[in-house]
Amino acid sequence: AQSVAQPEDQVNVAEGNPLTVKCTYSVSGNPYLFWYVQYPNRGLQFLLKYITGDNLVKGSYGFEAEFNKSQTSFHLKKPSALVSDSALYFCAVNVGATNKLIFGTGTLLAVQP
Amino acid sequence: DGGITQSPKYLFRKEGQNVTLSCEQNLNHDAMYWYRQDPGQGLRLIYYSQIVNDFQKGDIAEGYSVSREKKESFPLTVTSAQKNPTAFYLCASMDWPQETQYFGPGTRLLVL
Repeated sequence: AQSVAQPEDQVNVAEGNPLTVKCTYSVSGNPYLFWYVQYPNRGLQFLLKYITGDNLVKGSYGFEAEFNKSQTSFHLKKPSALVSDSALYFCAVNVGATNKLIFGTGTLLAVQP
Repeated sequence: DGGITQSPKYLFRKEGQNVTLSCEQNLNHDAMYWYRQDPGQGLRLIYYSQIVNDFQKGDIAEGYSVSREKKESFPLTVTSAQKNPTAFYLCASMDWPQETQYFGPGTRLLVL
């Protein structure tokens, strides 16, 4: 079965430090991978995606993600965290002609000042 | 949240009542999706539509119904058959060349 795993329910990081939010996937075929961010009581905002090409993808608000096919991972990273980055982050994968997204359970990022 | 609107922001359902959640987009996207979000479970797909007058069941379609009579609109009805409707409902639409889904602001459904 196709699935996405976010192994950490919560990640805590100090402002100014680098952050990583982990995501691994299990799909057949070539995955299209996405990261979204959600602030409280709001919809999801698109951050970045990997379709093909360079394994390092740059997105909105200084975030980037690295696609690693051998480890089936797509970790989200940022060199220097901001308090305003505190939110719920979702990894998702799209496989197939119907373009349905399979989501991970989300990781709450808490950035302390 | 772009050009996708959802209304109302909060909705209260009484026992045995059907309620309809609105989703409208002005992005000229062909595909639209409805997801349900519960704490700790991520998002789960309820229904999706890739083109007007056509829609497909997602992973948790039981107790829900949809229609797609116009490209801009994809309303979701939560029927009385849905026994646990309390959740945050998110609508999304997708542009085919970019294959990226964009989400509306959501509707929170509560049961009285």
